[in-house]
Amino acid sequence: QVQLQESGPGLVKPSETLSLNCSVSGGSISNYYWTWIRQPPGKGLEWIGYVFYTGSTKYNPSLKSRVTISIDASKSQFSLKLDSVTTADTAVYFCARGPGITMFGVPISGFDPWGHGSLVTVFS
Amino acid sequence: SSELTQPPSVSVSPGQTAEITCSGDALPKHYGNWYQQKPGQAPVLVIYKDKERPSGIPERFSGSSSGTTVTLTIRGVQAEDEADYYCQSADSRGTSVVFGGGTKLTVL
Repeated sequence: QVQLQESGPGLVKPSETLSLNCSVSGGSISNYYWTWIRQPPGKGLEWIGYVFYTGSTKYNPSLKSRVTISIDASKSQFSLKLDSVTTADTAVYFCARGPGITMFGVPISGFDPWGHGSLVTVFS
Repeated sequence: SSELTQPPSVSVSPGQTAEITCSGDALPKHYGNWYQQKPGQAPVLVIYKDKERPSGIPERFSGSSSGTTVTLTIRGVQAEDEADYYCQSADSRGTSVVFGGGTKLTVL
């Protein structure tokens, strides 16, 4: 059974870069879209972007200028970098697996499974 | 505001049927997916491709689609179904992933 686990600093200072890793175990990283999703405290879910196992990416237009998602298939890991963070970026960050088929860049079925989530607080 | 519109809250008594709707312009062309999220936990996929149920999800969860609306139906609601539910699909241009604002299901 595939499992995902986020890791990275829980505190980031304003204007710095948020960096998180997601380790994938129990299954192949090939043929799937690997996704980052975040949830500010008490609020809803926001899709950040995804990386295909080949390295191609797609990002939320509202975050595109600050986001980089990359993958290291040899280590079964993918990562998130978010530049120039502000307090509005404080959130629980989830990694998840998306299906290998998209329509116009949108996965045709849901994200499953998810990691447990990693709280990142932007705090000076 | 989200491009997928959900009611903020739905309340139902145990054993009754709960229906949660999600409306969006891209839904006639893109599938809708549903997630259940309990406090302090990661979301869990409960319905994908409008009406398909992942293995391990109880049969009381079902989905349907009509035009610009997808609906999550929970028949015979149990106390353990109390949670936030999110729909997910494409934005109005059909080129980006979006989530609905979420619906809090309260079991009275």
